[in-house]
Amino acid sequence: GAGVSQSPRYKVAKRGQDVALRCDPISGHVSLFWYQQALGQGPEFLTYFQNEAQLDKSGLPSDRFFAERPEGSVSTLKIQRTQQEDSAVYLCASSSRSETQYFGPGTRLLVL
Amino acid sequence: GNSVTQMEGPVTLSEEAFLTINCTYTATGYPSLFWYVQYPGEGLQLLLKATKADDKGSNKGFEATYRKETTSFHLEKGSVQVSDSAVYFCALSESKAAGNKLTFGGGTRVLVKP
Repeated sequence: GAGVSQSPRYKVAKRGQDVALRCDPISGHVSLFWYQQALGQGPEFLTYFQNEAQLDKSGLPSDRFFAERPEGSVSTLKIQRTQQEDSAVYLCASSSRSETQYFGPGTRLLVL
Repeated sequence: GNSVTQMEGPVTLSEEAFLTINCTYTATGYPSLFWYVQYPGEGLQLLLKATKADDKGSNKGFEATYRKETTSFHLEKGSVQVSDSAVYFCALSESKAAGNKLTFGGGTRVLVKP
């Protein structure tokens, strides 16, 4: 079946613009995670959903970052008033009841 | 908090050489341990995992053993191929209440030359 998909794959934003990144998890996967991967580093946890409930948002770096999953499937990560330090690859992962997380290809965000 | 430390790259090898990538971790409880691989232009893929002490994960000729006494999960392959060129990430997950979020190391780039 289809894997995790993310859109757009690339996004260039001017500093101060709002952006929205979309994640389509594997069908039926209850858990959904967002990670941020800076250039040359490992991914860092941002937030976690179980179905539509956001159970952990401890990794969101500021109140400019907001995530939602209103129907328990597709999720959107929104970044308001983007800053240059927000430039990174944003990864989405989903999992079923097992621990294995399946990752999407990521959205590469460049803030100019 | 939890953390993962892995050797910095790049690691450059010749084909058929032996590969070891060291990984050590710090965790408050009993984590599950993972190796993920990122091939050029592709997303992260799970390579192998181990969920308890002394477990050995293996896949595609790669192996790693969960060593609780040394808090390590070193990745090994006896004979690498050019196609193994990639970035390798060690990771742990803990606490089902937090949904098994992953804590990653910084990644090790491996380049295998023919």
